[in-house]
Amino acid sequence: SQTIHQWPATLVQPVGSPLSLECTVEGTSNPNLYWYRQAAGRGLQLLFYSVGIGQISSEVPQNLSASRPQDRQFILSSKKLLLSDSGFYLCAWSYGSTDTQYFGPGTRLTVL
Amino acid sequence: AQKVTQAQTEISVVEKEDVTLDCVYETRDTTYYLFWYKQPPSGELVFLIRRNSFDEQNEISGRYSWNFQKSTSSFNFTITASQVVDSAVYFCALGVYNFNKFYFGSGTKLNVKP
Repeated sequence: SQTIHQWPATLVQPVGSPLSLECTVEGTSNPNLYWYRQAAGRGLQLLFYSVGIGQISSEVPQNLSASRPQDRQFILSSKKLLLSDSGFYLCAWSYGSTDTQYFGPGTRLTVL
Repeated sequence: AQKVTQAQTEISVVEKEDVTLDCVYETRDTTYYLFWYKQPPSGELVFLIRRNSFDEQNEISGRYSWNFQKSTSSFNFTITASQVVDSAVYFCALGVYNFNKFYFGSGTKLNVKP
């Protein structure tokens, strides 16, 4: 069976510090991968998605970036965090563009 | 353009009441998929159902049922005899071929009170 992991689970970072969130999927190959952000009490905002190694599509221009160094690894990064980067970050995977997306447990990021 | 609207921001019911969560979608594609997810307080999104545009048959799973009507572009979700454990935010989503992403609604927060 397939599982998706995210770490860390929670993170508190000062403004201006770097960020690295990791997502890994087990039990499948060549999945589509997604990063979402959810601000407190709000809906889901798609940040990035990837259909293969090294292939990243950005949905929202901002100070975040994503990379996919391995088939089942998806990393969300920032060089300098802003207060507005606070939120709940969710990673998801799917077999294809219209297949069910399965979500990880999320990372709760607080930028102070 | 693709869009999903969940007009109900928050609903409160008393346990054992039935409740319907509305979802209206927009797309010009003839092949598409609709989804419902549940987000409990823990935060993780839990997949509930996937429906394709060619299958309008309603589905029932225990206390959950879904009503898909292409004529009104709606995919509504009903919980029968609600329970406190049903308290969560529920998201409706649309997936369309040639677009490598979902279009999510803004979510409906359901509060079930004992």
